Amino acid sequence: DTAVSQTPKYLVTQMGNDKSIKCEQNLGHDTMYWYKQDSKKFLKIMFSYNNKELIINETVPNRFSPKSPDKAHLNLHINSLELGDSAVYFCASSLLKRAGNYGYTFGSGTRLTVV
Amino acid sequence: GEDVEQSLFLSVREGDSSVINCTYTDSSSTYLYWYKQEPGAGLQLLTYIFSNMDMKQDQRLTVLLNKKDKHLSLRIADTQTGDSAIYFCAEWGLEYGNKLVFGAGTILRVKS
Repeated sequence: DTAVSQTPKYLVTQMGNDKSIKCEQNLGHDTMYWYKQDSKKFLKIMFSYNNKELIINETVPNRFSPKSPDKAHLNLHINSLELGDSAVYFCASSLLKRAGNYGYTFGSGTRLTVV
Repeated sequence: GEDVEQSLFLSVREGDSSVINCTYTDSSSTYLYWYKQEPGAGLQLLTYIFSNMDMKQDQRLTVLLNKKDKHLSLRIADTQTGDSAIYFCAEWGLEYGNKLVFGAGTILRVKS
């Protein structure tokens, strides 16, 4: 009964391919997020959805497209993968739009390696 | 702009206290957090402090907030080898556009 689950955990793919990462939360939270953690462990927000509506869209290449079919799911599709996309991608959720007492709950991450 | 800074590395002996420091820039920050990341794992929320508090204690963890200097610290008492991890401070505030902004993380190494 994992709270925020991501699949796959590891993804190795060639440059130019298109891939998707899936995220699901069973906490009943309204808001979900994608963060990217680079090789230096720096975490940067990419997108956020509140109840299926996009509310944060950082400066991210348009090869990255999030999709939220319902408030419990947030997927990330990446087109034409590049070497620089290699990173760990974390999904997170929060009860409301603001972090509050409980902060964000994070998944265990998807390590994407582009070769 | 968004700027949360931490020292990169801290090494302590088992049983000693560890103090991890963080500075931030957003004066409107309402919540400040400490997260822990173990190797190959996600981020685990350790504790938080609300901006109208100066100190919060939770078992071995003590958080101190100096709003004037925009300085946050996390003290871990009786540090154990299992505390070895990366510790991130994070802040949430209106100036950041309703998102959690993280520091670069402090690697804590505990020597037995």
